Amino acid sequence: DQQVKQNSPSLSVQEGRISILNCDYTNSMFDYFLWYKKYPAEGPTFLISISSIKDKNEDGRFTVFLNKSAKHLSLHIVPSQPGDSAVYFCAALGGSNFGNEKLTFGTGTRLTIIP
Amino acid sequence: DGGITQSPKYLFRKEGQNVTLSCEQNLNHDAMYWYRQDPGQGLRLIYYSQIVNDFQKGDIAEGYSVSREKKESFPLTVTSAQKNPTAFYLCASEENYGYTFGSGTRLTVV
Repeated sequence: DQQVKQNSPSLSVQEGRISILNCDYTNSMFDYFLWYKKYPAEGPTFLISISSIKDKNEDGRFTVFLNKSAKHLSLHIVPSQPGDSAVYFCAALGGSNFGNEKLTFGTGTRLTIIP
Repeated sequence: DGGITQSPKYLFRKEGQNVTLSCEQNLNHDAMYWYRQDPGQGLRLIYYSQIVNDFQKGDIAEGYSVSREKKESFPLTVTSAQKNPTAFYLCASEENYGYTFGSGTRLTVV
């Protein structure tokens, strides 16, 4: 049962344009969302997060939008750069009745920036 | 520098052998986690430990075992009971919802 889903396994974007990565979740108890970037054979690195009480968080070229009613969040990267080519994971915290805060990851989207 | 060290980076084992993956952290974090990455499946939680001498099963614990005898160390043993052990394994530690990941171990069973 995949509680966090990234329906696009891959995405290609021209350098300088906007990259939009999408993520859907099913568990309404999730209360904190994070985006991670991952290169092959390396651990994920944290990019940006958003609390469920907000609908937008911005950090430089990265903006995360949260639509709680639709259980949907998205990561916008503007402008896209070649170094942004990586796999991006959406992750959620909370969602447990027992207070164990474990990250639940999505399936990932491979972003390729075309020079 | 504080961080998490996973070793080795690549590991090859014969089918039917147990193998132990190392994870060490010097961040003084109480919580530690093991995830497995497979293509198209994201990162799935194997085991986690909130404190020394305590650990809990994650979503896919079958065929794995862990120990947490020291705060700094959370080794994962992939046993011969694990049906599909070939994967990329990631260890993480966490404090106040801030996760730090190791660089991973790619295990290949031949």
